[in-house]
Order: sequence, then structure tokens, then C-alpha cells
Amino acid sequence: AQTVTQSQPEMSVQEAETVTLSCTYDTSESDYYLFWYKQPPSRQMILVIRQEAYKQQNATENRFSVNFQKAAKSFSLKISDSQLGDAAMYFCAYRRNGQNFVFGPGTRLSVLP
Amino acid sequence: NAGVTQTPKFRILKIGQSMTLQCAQDMNHNYMYWYRQDPGMGLKLIYYSVGAGITDKGEVPNGYNVSRSTTEDFPLRLELAAPSQTSVYFCASSYSGTGGTDTQYFGPGTRLTVL
Repeated sequence: AQTVTQSQPEMSVQEAETVTLSCTYDTSESDYYLFWYKQPPSRQMILVIRQEAYKQQNATENRFSVNFQKAAKSFSLKISDSQLGDAAMYFCAYRRNGQNFVFGPGTRLSVLP
Repeated sequence: NAGVTQTPKFRILKIGQSMTLQCAQDMNHNYMYWYRQDPGMGLKLIYYSVGAGITDKGEVPNGYNVSRSTTEDFPLRLELAAPSQTSVYFCASSYSGTGGTDTQYFGPGTRLTVL
């Protein structure tokens, strides 16, 4: 069964600095999708970024980018120029086409002013 | 385009009571899901549906039931509420298939307390 691991339960970053959140996953498949979701105190789950495994190019969305290492089964999220509004729980998720999502346990990010 | 909507936002139940959590999506997604999130924890899948008329159990289905009579709606039924069902419940949907992104979109959640 697929598993998703986030080894950092909590992280902190100074405002305007850069932080990287780690995610590793276990799968024997070659075609799948990876996601990062953000959950602020409002509890709303918000999609941050999405990566298709067949694409070698790392996805980017404004200040958010990923480092996708398929062979290492690693999918880290980099947040540049951190803002106070980035403080949230961040969940890494895996999905193979037609199967259910598998979520990691989450990393709580604090942004220090 | 409202996305995924859930009602109610908050609810307090007494032990043994029943209720239905409503979920609707207007994105014509084929997949729909129900998750629960206990305090400080991640998401656990309760039930999911791959299309109208088709539902299946997830990781923690005991104490819950679902139905999917239309593409848009996916209600979650709690029978004989117990304190262990105190949680935040999220409904989500996604489209898997030709032209789909497989991205899961979430509703705002329902905070349920069972006393």
C-alpha cells in the first residue's frame, strides 16, 4: 500500500525567508500525481501545488515550488519570501489515477515576524 | 461556480442522535469523498464514490452511511452518534478521466460535537 511520510511535525521560518517542507512516499507505480495542500486556522483545505509524475519539470506557483525527485520518491515544497499568511498545516498527498488519495500526517508551519 | 459546499457548518448532537451532513458540488466531478479530521491529526477517509449509484468504504466507515443518487450530492449519515465521532468532517470531489486533473477540491468542513 502507498504511504506518505512527512518527517517534520513542526517547522518555523522568519518572515521573508525561505523554508522547505519534506515529503517522501512509497509506491511501485510510475504514473501518479502528487499534491501539497495548505490548511490555515480556518480549516479550509487549499490546493497549493500539483505535480504529475511523468513530468520531469518541477511545478511552480508564484512563491511555491517543488523539488520532485522521482527515483528517490521525494516531493519537497519550497516557500520563498515567506509571509505571515503562509502559517498553516501543510499536507503532502499522493494519488494514482483512479485510486484514493493518500495524505501525509502534516507539517505545522509557523512564520515569525 | 460554488465548488464544494457543505451544510451545516457547526452542529452539536447528543449521544444516540442521528443526523445527515450535506455535501454538494457543481463541477461535474465523478469522484466524491468524505473525510474526518480529529484535533491535531490528518485526514481519514470515511467513504467515497466514483459516480452516481456507486459508493465504497474508506479507512473508518463504522458508524456512518452514504448514498450517491446524483452526480452533485453525496450526503453522509451518522446513526446513533457517539462521542468518538466528534470531529471536523470534510467533503471533497475530484475528476478522474480524460481531461481531468485528479485534483481534489474540498468543502469548508462541518464541525461536529457529540455530547
